[in-house]
Formats: sequence, structure tokens, C-alpha cells
Amino acid sequence: QLTQSPSFLSASVGDRVTITCRASLGISDYLAWYQQKPGKAPKLLIYAASTLQSGVPSRFSGGGSETEFTLTISSLQPEDFATYYCQQIKTYPLTFGGGTKVGIK
Amino acid sequence: QLQLQESGPGLVRPSETLSLRCDVSGGSITSYGYNWAWIRQPPGGGLEWIGTIYYSGSIFYNPSLQRRVTVSLDTPRNHFSLKVTSVTAADTATYYCAGARLGYCSGATCYSLDNWGQGTLVTVSS
Repeated sequence: QLTQSPSFLSASVGDRVTITCRASLGISDYLAWYQQKPGKAPKLLIYAASTLQSGVPSRFSGGGSETEFTLTISSLQPEDFATYYCQQIKTYPLTFGGGTKVGIK
Repeated sequence: QLQLQESGPGLVRPSETLSLRCDVSGGSITSYGYNWAWIRQPPGGGLEWIGTIYYSGSIFYNPSLQRRVTVSLDTPRNHFSLKVTSVTAADTATYYCAGARLGYCSGATCYSLDNWGQGTLVTVSS
């Protein structure tokens, strides 16, 4: 089971934002992060906990291992207002966190 | 670059079977290094993994849906499919198909969903 926090956060352009994902059991670095904008499919940002997917801006970074993981946006841009999901990719059934919506302050 | 496109009825009656297809273009569903998945998202809700199929024939399902779900590959037509039987209003959701690409986690293989279809809304209602 994956628990994301916070469920919602409001921030301003230029802010540093960190989202946390906690796993109920250790999953090493078998974690992915996705960004979803309204009416669109999710987009892969990071896999293996910290590996940036090709084409994703470097202001996104991932960290952590086993049971605690973070997604950080170093300087929030207007296009980053979206919902973010973590997903464990270690064992079946695959599971997602509940999501974190990043809104405009 | 792979492209995926879901198709199927947007309205299904309660107790009937939901059937969706995902057409894959820009590559083969038999390509090494990919498996194929279905994910759904109820209106205003989060993401729920439904099932994953490998070209080898291995299939994994969400235990909460396993009794009602079938995922299959049609390799000549380069598409994969989803069937959900005995649907109820709780099955109303946007259904996504996705390709999961092989990568490496802790030096071992892992798959992350790097190509998604646009999604199709399926409403269960009489």
C-alpha cells in the first residue's frame, strides 16, 4: 500500500515543492512517479525512484528507497500545476498512491 | 514512438460485459522489453491498475477484479483487449491502456508505464 502526502498543496510559481510517498513494505527503488493534468492521461516522470524519464525537465527529481520516497520540483512552473501519483512497480498487484494535487496559491 | 488508442462502447448496461480494445502503432506488441496494461480511473478518483499481460503469455490481475476481468493479446492485429463481466455502476471510469517499458531497478528488471492511450470513458447505466 502506498500513502501520499499531502493530498493537496497550494504553491506559487517559483516555489520548491516536495511530495512524499510512503510504502507499507520495503520496495527498494521500485517506484515510479506520474503527472496527470485534467482530462489527460498520466505521464511518466521518474522511474527506479530517481531516474528521470527522457524529456522530463530537470527541475523534477526523485529520491528515497524502501519505504519513503519524495518527488521534488525545484522551481514550480505554471505547467506543473497537476496531480501527481506514485506507483510501486516491484510486485503484483501494482498499486498507486492516492495522488497529490498541486494547486495555485 | 509507440502510440496507443483505446476503443469500445461508452455506455454499458449493468450486469453486461464491458469490452475494450487498445490498438498499438509505431511498434509491435511482441517487442522485447514491453508489457501491456489496463488502468482505470473513476470520475474524480485515483488510478487503479487492472491487469498486465506479457508477450510470453503471463498475465497478472488485480485481485479485487480478478474474477471478472480478462486481458488478452491479438498479435496479428497488434492490439490487446480488456473484458470486464457483470459490470455495475462502480465500474464507471475512464479506462486507459498503457505500455510498460523495461528498465532497471536495483540492478534487476522493472517496468514503468511510459506510453498511455488517451483514455476512454465508460459509463455503466441502464
